[in-house]
Order: sequence, then C-alpha cells, then structure tokens
Amino acid sequence: DGGITQSPKYLFRKEGQNVTLSCEQNLNHDAMYWYRQDPGQGLRLIYYSQIVNDFQKGDIAEGYSVSREKKESFPLTVTSAQKNPTAFYLCASSGTPSGNTIYFGEGSWLTVV
Amino acid sequence: KQEVTQIPAALSVPEGENLVLNCSFTDSAIYNLQWFRQDPGKGLTSLLLIQSSQREQTSGRLNASLDKSSGRSTLYIAASQPGDSATYLCAVFSGYSTLTFGKGTMLLVSP
Repeated sequence: DGGITQSPKYLFRKEGQNVTLSCEQNLNHDAMYWYRQDPGQGLRLIYYSQIVNDFQKGDIAEGYSVSREKKESFPLTVTSAQKNPTAFYLCASSGTPSGNTIYFGEGSWLTVV
Repeated sequence: KQEVTQIPAALSVPEGENLVLNCSFTDSAIYNLQWFRQDPGKGLTSLLLIQSSQREQTSGRLNASLDKSSGRSTLYIAASQPGDSATYLCAVFSGYSTLTFGKGTMLLVSP
C-alpha cells in the first residue's frame, strides 16, 4: 500500500543522547515535512524539504537536524541540544509544496528518561 | 504571520445531531485550506481540501465551506455518529511552502 511509514512508534531517549526518527514514503512525493505536536497544541513545523538535497528550517528547528539524500526518505535527528524533546513527532509529504493534499504518517512518540 | 484559530476547543453532542466546527485565519491570501481528523495517538487523516478559488467541498456527511475574504471556514458534519469522535484540525497553506495549523476541536459524540 502507498503511504508514509514512521519508525519507531515509541522511543526513549536518555539525557545527552541524539536519536533519529525515520520517515519513508512511497508516494513519489517531492515535498516532505516534520511536525512536532505537544498536548493541547497545534502542529509546529520543524523542517521541510521540497526536493532532494535541499531542506529549510521551520518555526522550531533549534535542536533538530535533517537530511534528504533520497526522495523517499527524510530522517529527523533530535540532538542533545533540544532541551524539551518529549513530544509526538509527525512526518508528512505532499506531491508539491502547494495545492495538493498533505499525507501524514502514524507518528512517533519520543520520551526523555 | 498567519494564525489559525479553531472554535470551540471541545464539543460534546448526542448521536444524530448535525454540528458545525469553525476555523478562522488572519491572512486571507491563502492557496488552500484543509480539514483533518486525528484519532488519539495517531497521525492526521485528510478529510477535505478546498482550493482558494472554491467555496465548498463535500465528502459523504462532511461539507466544508470557505469564505476567504472574511478568513473563515466551517466544517459541517451531518447526522453525527460515535465513530466521528476525534480531534478535527484545519490548516491553511499561505504560500510559505508549509501549512499553518489550528489547535483543533475535540469532538465527542455520545451514543
């Protein structure tokens, strides 16, 4: 089936660790996104990429890093510089950056222990 | 900067009622508006996409309208069912290559 796959579903991070969340899509979409969702809050954009080997910071990029080496993959690394990383992380993709429906993965829960 | 507000934040109705969820945005220069559904602990599912040139879109019991000039959209759910219980989010695309989301309306439909 076509869609977006995020892994792992649940992840625990110790203080000072970097962790990487995986996002893979088989929809042949050019644009991919990472959002963070906190309880009672809307989605906030971390990073987005409109094309391979190019990505842009969103509203809350500090403490995060991404890469876009392949069209279908857009991994997110939560670095130790992110002071409050516990949240629900959502990856999404769309055919073009504008005018098209955006599709989301099932999300990844990250908890700091 | 675009801001999106959804009212009410939470809504509880008995099964069978028709209901309206509201979404407003501050910058009317949008390309499109989307409504999403989110079940607890899950990702978002797109319900309806309205282009800026359109006034409304319908899918089954759902109807979304868009009044771009006034910065408003409504999602109408007819004959609500317990399975409609979820959080509903609206998001606008304003040409900065990303969507701006509201905080959502949490809907509970009681049998």
